[in-house]
Amino acid sequence: EVQLVESGGGLVQPGGSLRLSCAASGFTFSSYWMSWVRQAPGKGLEWVANIKQDGSEKYYVDSVKGRFTISRDNAKNSLYLQMNSLRAEDTAVYYCARDKLWTPDYWGQGTLVTVSS
Amino acid sequence: DIQMTQSPSSLSASVGDRVTITCRASQGISNYLAWFQQKPGKAPKSLIYAASSLQSGVPSKFSGSGSGTDFTLTISSLQPEDFATYYCQQYNSYPPTFGPGTKVDIK
Repeated sequence: EVQLVESGGGLVQPGGSLRLSCAASGFTFSSYWMSWVRQAPGKGLEWVANIKQDGSEKYYVDSVKGRFTISRDNAKNSLYLQMNSLRAEDTAVYYCARDKLWTPDYWGQGTLVTVSS
Repeated sequence: DIQMTQSPSSLSASVGDRVTITCRASQGISNYLAWFQQKPGKAPKSLIYAASSLQSGVPSKFSGSGSGTDFTLTISSLQPEDFATYYCQQYNSYPPTFGPGTKVDIK
């Protein structure tokens, strides 16, 4: 059974940093692109970033470029999102997702990030 | 960026109804279109990819069609567990973008 479990969310002040993790199991992690997708409270879904199987390609939505970094550790079956210079508008539930043919097929349960003073 | 629109934004339907949701892309995206279902407080669930292919384990009451700019998601016979918000997503070009969602509730 495919499982994706996010962690690392919490309350952080504007300008602060946070590192999200996603632990994957039930599939060969190193064979899949992986993505982060977020959802602000009461809003729709927004794709944030994705990463190729070997980490050699990474893509970001413009609003996080230069502030967020996606990475992975295939030996640990883990996906990460390092978030720096956080803003109030980054407040959201962040979902980790496995990509099949460039679109998510499995999702984690999400972790809430709140940016507030 | 490619803009995605959905219509209607919400609809009320009864159990057993046939429901159709429309998604339109601001430019052609071939068949790089996915559909997702989300229930309140839950993670999205993937339903359809490549406009018309069902994800593993998704019941056949869900179907998708379309190509280019216009797409539809159809639920053949609405059941209580299908009341949710549905999102389309284009993944033809970066960044992948989602539609604003269509909320399906009980009439």
